[in-house]
Amino acid sequence: RKEVEQDPGPFNVPEGATVAFNCTYSNSASQSFFWYRQDCRKEPKLLMSVYSSGNEDGRFTAQLNRASQYISLLIRDSKLSDSATYLCVVNTGAGSYQLTFGKGTKLSVIP
Amino acid sequence: NAGVTQTPKFQVLKTGQSMTLQCAQDMNHNSMYWYRQDPGMGLRLIYYSASEGTTDKGEVPNGYNVSRLNKREFSLRLESAAPSQTSVYFCASSESGTGGREQYFGPGTRLTVT
Repeated sequence: RKEVEQDPGPFNVPEGATVAFNCTYSNSASQSFFWYRQDCRKEPKLLMSVYSSGNEDGRFTAQLNRASQYISLLIRDSKLSDSATYLCVVNTGAGSYQLTFGKGTKLSVIP
Repeated sequence: NAGVTQTPKFQVLKTGQSMTLQCAQDMNHNSMYWYRQDPGMGLRLIYYSASEGTTDKGEVPNGYNVSRLNKREFSLRLESAAPSQTSVYFCASSESGTGGREQYFGPGTRLTVT
């Protein structure tokens, strides 16, 4: 089983839609979870950290289910500027500061 | 505050040539990382430096060497470039600490080996 798995997409959604991305991770000892965003031919940028209690940042909501080893990202009221690849990221294991990156889910928001 | 900077932005090498990719950060981070990103493969860790004076291999270290020159700078060297090393190379930095910390990336170096 791959360490971090994501649906590669692409997800093509109209402006204003709500879209959800899912991610599973294999190492039950992982402690830190993030969503990154990567625009075409650019570097990955931190979108948000994911906490056990779930967290929200504007139109973005992240959830973590440790029991199922599952992370989700919900984007509400999609904007054209949300078009990017979204990377699910997990630290490699207990006590590790190395991060393992999923291959990403591509989102295209269509006018 | 420039964050993480990388040079060069683009490079074309012939097989067998050598080169050094430079990376510097001004965020006073202890840890620095080198990744490569290939289509369909995602980001893969080449080497990392947990703190000044230490370096360790990541997932794909073969064909590369690194130097942590000081707290700010972390370089990646290709001694004898091969076509399989054609990739986009990203440097990143983070605060140190167990449990994983968010990493901040440089703009990348696009390397082509012919």
